[in-house]
Amino acid sequence: EAQVTQNPRYLITVTGKKLTVTCSQNMNHEYMSWYRQDPGLGLRQIYYSMNVEVTDKGDVPEGYKVSRKEKRNFPLILESPSPNQTSLYFCASSFWGETGELFFGEGSRLTVL
Amino acid sequence: EDQVTQSPEALRLQEGESSSLNCSYTVSGLRGLFWYRQDPGKGPEFLFTLYSAGEEKEKERLKATLTKKESFLHITAPKPEDSATYLCAVVNDYKLSFGAGTTVTVRA
Repeated sequence: EAQVTQNPRYLITVTGKKLTVTCSQNMNHEYMSWYRQDPGLGLRQIYYSMNVEVTDKGDVPEGYKVSRKEKRNFPLILESPSPNQTSLYFCASSFWGETGELFFGEGSRLTVL
Repeated sequence: EDQVTQSPEALRLQEGESSSLNCSYTVSGLRGLFWYRQDPGKGPEFLFTLYSAGEEKEKERLKATLTKKESFLHITAPKPEDSATYLCAVVNDYKLSFGAGTTVTVRA
């Protein structure tokens, strides 16, 4: 079954404690992206990757890091989380050239206290 | 900067009561407009891609249309299972910009 898998799905953490949200896709997609979704603001792109070792900033990259060492994985790293990073996070992927036709994961709800 | 504005924010419909959702956009060089459906607690699910003014796409009770400045998602004779948040987005290079969405509730 084609899917994008995110872990953890739910996480409560404290300010400053580094965390990683993993994302894996099994569709051999070149393009992967991270979004955060906040009430009234919609989905905002954090980072994206067009292929292995190729990443670029989206609209709200501050406070986040990513890496793309393998085609199927695209982890999101919060080095020092702050309460304003409390949000619902989505990972998505697509074939290169079809970056608007995304497959989304189920989401990771993160709370930073 | 690309901008996508959706209206209304929320729409309550009676089963069978057709309506339309609006997505207006400003983008330097449209390379595609996309509609998604999002159910509560789930990730968005891709519905349609529209590339040029005048283009139309249909899927069951949904029909998406595109003009030079906006797109409409028409819901014909909706059923309760059409209740969801509908998102539109535009792509510029490899960045996808989403609107805030329209939450549709269809009552039986």
